[in-house]
Amino acid sequence: NAGVTQTPKFQVLKTGQSMTLQCAQDMNHNSMYWYRQDPGMGLRLIYYSASEGTTDKGEVPNGYNVSRLNKREFSLRLESAAPSQTSVYFCASRVDLRGGSHYGYTFGSGTRLTVV
Amino acid sequence: GDSVTQMEGPVTLSEEAFLTINCTYTATGYPSLFWYVQYPGEGLQLLLKATKADDKGSNKGFEATYRKETTSFHLEKGSVQVSDSAVYFCALSDHAGRRALTFGSGTRLQVQP
Repeated sequence: NAGVTQTPKFQVLKTGQSMTLQCAQDMNHNSMYWYRQDPGMGLRLIYYSASEGTTDKGEVPNGYNVSRLNKREFSLRLESAAPSQTSVYFCASRVDLRGGSHYGYTFGSGTRLTVV
Repeated sequence: GDSVTQMEGPVTLSEEAFLTINCTYTATGYPSLFWYVQYPGEGLQLLLKATKADDKGSNKGFEATYRKETTSFHLEKGSVQVSDSAVYFCALSDHAGRRALTFGSGTRLQVQP
């Protein structure tokens, strides 16, 4: 099925460990996003990519790096995990339609990360 | 910067009751407005949207009207069902730059039979 695929769905890390969250979309969307969801805070933007090879910081980028090597994939890396990074992570993509329509967002099903 | 404020939950209703979830926003310019729904253990799904003032978004019996004068986008449904139990997020997207979504904190709705 077309959409946004995130892996893994669940992960437990020890403090200081590293890992990469994977995200892939098969809708030929240009823009991709990483959000984190914390209780009572909604979703907050971590990083954004407007196109292959370009990335930009969002609201809460500290402790994360991203990579957009091709149009399909946008990965999020935690170099040294901390308990404050325990969260649910969502990847999203958006199509750029002529005229600036904004209803083209598609979200993945999320990665639940626990850092102990 | 842009921000979205939603009423805090949880909101607990009986089946067939009327639902209102309040949402107000602060933004420069004229953003697009959205309601997303998240069912337990799932990602976010677009429920409805409005792209300009006085637009009414509607879907599955839910409605919301883009009110520029009050900077609001309240979600309503005339008769809720148990299957509507979920978390509802109000969000906005600007028309320039990264066009990322800015979300409210979410409102949990619990509908009892």
